Amino acid sequence: IAGITQAPTSQILAAGRRMTLRCTQDMRHNAMYWYRQDLGLGLRLIHYSNTAGTTGKGEVPDGYSVSRANTDDFPLTLASAVPSQTSVYFCASSSFPRTNTGELFFGEGSRLTVL
Amino acid sequence: GENVEQHPSTLSVQEGDSAVIKCTYSDSASNYFPWYKQELGKRPQLIIDIRSNVGEKKDQRIAVTLNKTAKHFSLHITETQPEDSAVYFCAAAYSGGGADGLTFGKGTHLIIQP
Repeated sequence: IAGITQAPTSQILAAGRRMTLRCTQDMRHNAMYWYRQDLGLGLRLIHYSNTAGTTGKGEVPDGYSVSRANTDDFPLTLASAVPSQTSVYFCASSSFPRTNTGELFFGEGSRLTVL
Repeated sequence: GENVEQHPSTLSVQEGDSAVIKCTYSDSASNYFPWYKQELGKRPQLIIDIRSNVGEKKDQRIAVTLNKTAKHFSLHITETQPEDSAVYFCAAAYSGGGADGLTFGKGTHLIIQP
């Protein structure tokens, strides 16, 4: 089934540990994104990538890094997790600009708890 | 950067009544305004979008209106049903929204009372 796959779906992590959230899409979308969702704050953009080999910073990039080695994969890494990074993380992709639609297709989310 | 304000944060309506959610944006260059619905424990999904060259768009029971001059846009749901209960997010972007992502509002929790 075509779409976006995130892993893990849920994780509890000790503060200071390194963590990579994985995201893979099979729709050949150029653009990919990482958002975090926190109660009362909505969805905030962490990092994005318009095409393989390029990345950009979003609204809340501090403490996170990304890479885009190929079209399909867009991992998000927390180098040294802190409790304020407890959140639900959504990966998303878009066919823009190949098609003139801005629709984001979201993964099912990764719930991360940092203790 | 873009800033999107969304109101109300919670909206409770009787089944069958209409619901209206309002958003304002700050960047006059924004030209793409989608609405996403997120059911409990699920991923956000696009329900309708509008571009700045259009003032209104309808899709069955949902409609979106845009006032570029005032920089605000609204979601209208008529004849609300239990399955409309969810969190709704508005968003704004430039260049179709694909280049550097969407800026979302904080969300509206819509509760449909039986």
